[in-house]
Amino acid sequence: KAGVTQTPRYLIKTRGQQVTLSCSPISGHRSVSWYQQTPGQGLQFLFEYFSETQRNKGNFPGRFSGRQFSNSRSEMNVSTLELGDSALYLCASRNDRGTEAFFGQGTRLTVV
Amino acid sequence: GQNIDQPTEMTATEGAIVQINCTYQTSGFNGLFWYQQHAGEAPTFLSYNVLDGLEEKGRFSSFLSRSKGYSYLLLKELQMKDSASYLCAVWNRDDKIIFGKGTRLHILP
Repeated sequence: KAGVTQTPRYLIKTRGQQVTLSCSPISGHRSVSWYQQTPGQGLQFLFEYFSETQRNKGNFPGRFSGRQFSNSRSEMNVSTLELGDSALYLCASRNDRGTEAFFGQGTRLTVV
Repeated sequence: GQNIDQPTEMTATEGAIVQINCTYQTSGFNGLFWYQQHAGEAPTFLSYNVLDGLEEKGRFSSFLSRSKGYSYLLLKELQMKDSASYLCAVWNRDDKIIFGKGTRLHILP
């Protein structure tokens, strides 16, 4: 059974640009959550999608958005990038009971 | 508000036992997760507790007391590869999984 796949693994972008990250969950998992991880703040919840609907949202500005497709793959978009957006972005694939949540390898975004 | 507290760092010796504590105050409770994260890597799932008591999985055990808002992760027969950060996370009633800032565990030979 394949794990959670995130692409790309690394990205370097310039301030003001936008970026799209992708996450393919474990087969059969309909929930995908996105997190931002920085050394100072730890893992911060961005949003969760379930069956193509945003089920939950964290406290991030509107520049951070996402969507989920019918095959459960999810994308996260950040517009007008700021230096402070440099972080490891992780997605987690969760079973329907909610009792297991597995992370992808993450996308390390550097904004210069 | 949501609050999950863990010690920032701990040090233990190879072959020994270490207990990493986690206390939480969250809006509702649906379960508690522990993850291991090596530097530069993604977190890996260790355990999920929803009922009070101890759950054992090989060298790792996780304990939960819902009335006290308290959990711990117990690591036995420590190995050098156990040097990592350990993250405590709570699934709250809003269906979010909220993470603590993690405990960095250093293992000395």
